[in-house]
Amino acid sequence: EVQLVESGGGLVRPGGSLRLSCAASGFSFSDYDMIWVRQAPGKGLEGVALITSGGDYIYHVESVRGRFTISRDSAKNSLYLQMNGLRDEDTAVYYCARDKEGDSNLYYLDYWGQGTLVTVSS
Amino acid sequence: DIQMTQSPSSVSASVGDRVTITCRASQAISTWLAWYQQKPGKAPNLLIYDARTLESGVPSRFSGSGSGTDFTLTISSLQPEDFATYYCQQANSLTFGGGTKVEIK
Repeated sequence: EVQLVESGGGLVRPGGSLRLSCAASGFSFSDYDMIWVRQAPGKGLEGVALITSGGDYIYHVESVRGRFTISRDSAKNSLYLQMNGLRDEDTAVYYCARDKEGDSNLYYLDYWGQGTLVTVSS
Repeated sequence: DIQMTQSPSSVSASVGDRVTITCRASQAISTWLAWYQQKPGKAPNLLIYDARTLESGVPSRFSGSGSGTDFTLTISSLQPEDFATYYCQQANSLTFGGGTKVEIK
């Protein structure tokens, strides 16, 4: 059974840092592109970052570029999101998700974690 | 960047109704489109990919159509478990539409 379990969320002050983790199991993690998606309270979905299966292509949405960094460790079957310079508007539930296509440049998200809440507030 | 616009933002419907949700891309995206369903407090669930291909395990009352810039998600006969928010997503980026909430009439 495919499972994605996020951790690392919490309350942080503006300007602070957090590192989110996503533990993957039930599939060959190194074969799949992985994505972080966030959802602010009462709002819609926003794709935040993606990393290809081999880690050779990384993309961050403009609103987090230069502050957030996606990475992966295939030996640990884990995905990460390092978040620096956090702002109030980064408050959201952060989901990690798997791209079902494997090795194409189309991103269809077939499995999602339960999400971890990040609250940025003074 | 390509923008995705969904309409309506909300719709009230009854069990058994046919419901249609539209997603429009600001530029042509071939059939590179997905639809997701999200229930309160839960992660989204992939319903349709490549604009019209039903994800495994998704009931056949859900269908998708369209190509280029205009896409449609149709629920042929609304069931109680279908009351949720639906999102489209452009598949060669991480851009989602704003969502359509399907509410009980």
